[in-house]
Amino acid sequence: AQSVTQPDIHITVSEGASLELRCNYSYGATPYLFWYVQSPGQGLQLLLKYFSGDTLVQGIKGFEAEFKRSQSSFNLRKPSVHWSDAAEYFCAVAQRYNNNDMRFGAGTRLTVKP
Amino acid sequence: EAQVTQNPRYLITVTGKKLTVTCSQNMNHEYMSWYRQDPGLGLRQIYYSMNVEVTDKGDVPEGYKVSRKEKRNFPLILESPSPNQTSLYFCASSSLVDGRASSYNEQFFGPGTRLTVL
Repeated sequence: AQSVTQPDIHITVSEGASLELRCNYSYGATPYLFWYVQSPGQGLQLLLKYFSGDTLVQGIKGFEAEFKRSQSSFNLRKPSVHWSDAAEYFCAVAQRYNNNDMRFGAGTRLTVKP
Repeated sequence: EAQVTQNPRYLITVTGKKLTVTCSQNMNHEYMSWYRQDPGLGLRQIYYSMNVEVTDKGDVPEGYKVSRKEKRNFPLILESPSPNQTSLYFCASSSLVDGRASSYNEQFFGPGTRLTVL
């Protein structure tokens, strides 16, 4: 069965510092990969997604993610974090034609220090 | 504005008292789904619906019911809530691709309903 692992439960970075959130997946074939952000009291918002092609994906709010097949990873990055980026981030994987098999990681909570 | 709404946003209830959490979307989406979010477990799917009168179980359906009588609404029903159903619940919707719930189409999430069962 496919699974998603986010090794870091909580990360704290200083405002202006770079950020990398890790995501590893286990799946028989290359799945579709997603990063969602959940701001306090809000629902989930899609940051970016990877289906095929260029392994470096650009998303909203200045985020990007890189798919590395050899490492089964899809890490999220941002070169300079803003205080408004404080939120919980979820990595998810899904089959091509099956939203019903979307698996979410446990989430990484990001705290931004002034 | 395209959105998914849920009501109530917060609910505290007691064991065994039936409750319904409503979900409504204004995007004419065929596909709708309910998730629960628990610390350390991420989101897990409870039920989903591919269209009116078409529903099916997700990963954790026990203790829940759903109905889809209208395209825009997908209520979640807890007939006899128990404390282990204390959680944060999200409704989501998306359109279909070639009649299937494709991951290619973004799921839009509601703001969540925080339920506490005492």
